[in-house]
Amino acid sequence: DAEITQSPRHKITETGRQVTLACHQTWNHNNMFWYRQDLGHGLRLIHYSYGVQDTNKGEVSDGYSVSRSNTEDLPLTLESAASSQTSVYFCASSDRRGGTDTQYFGPGTRLTVL
Amino acid sequence: GQNIDQPTEMTATEGAIVQINCTYQTSGFNGLFWYQQHAGEAPTFLSYNVLDGLEEKGRFSSFLSRSKGYSYLLLKELQMKDSASYLCALWAAGNKLTFGGGTRVLVKP
Repeated sequence: DAEITQSPRHKITETGRQVTLACHQTWNHNNMFWYRQDLGHGLRLIHYSYGVQDTNKGEVSDGYSVSRSNTEDLPLTLESAASSQTSVYFCASSDRRGGTDTQYFGPGTRLTVL
Repeated sequence: GQNIDQPTEMTATEGAIVQINCTYQTSGFNGLFWYQQHAGEAPTFLSYNVLDGLEEKGRFSSFLSRSKGYSYLLLKELQMKDSASYLCALWAAGNKLTFGGGTRVLVKP
């Protein structure tokens, strides 16, 4: 079955280290998104992509980057991890087939920056 | 910008009905989504409204009034497994979703 996966599911790192979170979808969706979820803030958009070689900044993009070299993957990189980036990260994908643009979410990555 | 408000928490009894309101202020949007999120899990799609009115999907219904800046999610015949957070999200230009803070629903026996 088609799906969206994230790895790792849990990660502990130290301040200043570079961290990359993986997101892989097998639906062949054009659109992919990264969110972070924190208590009191709900889901906030970090970066998104509409297709290969396309990337865009979201609401809270500072300190994060993404690249889209193929349809299936959108890795999220924290250039120099900070304690403020401790959060749960969700990847999502969507497509306009069928008229709506429903986003489907991966299982999430819980990141702790010490 | 977009401003979306939902109650933080609601409590209801098994078998009852609960209505979760979502009010918003925005200059324009394509539609409104509702997602369910169990603790420690990913959000899962529940319903979508693009036109004013009621959309019914089994025990769940969602309503939208664009003129009033208002939506609600109605959960009928509540079950213990319905204990979760319910997220309201506006779908705007660029296929992006803007989420409210979510409403945590606790179903009691």
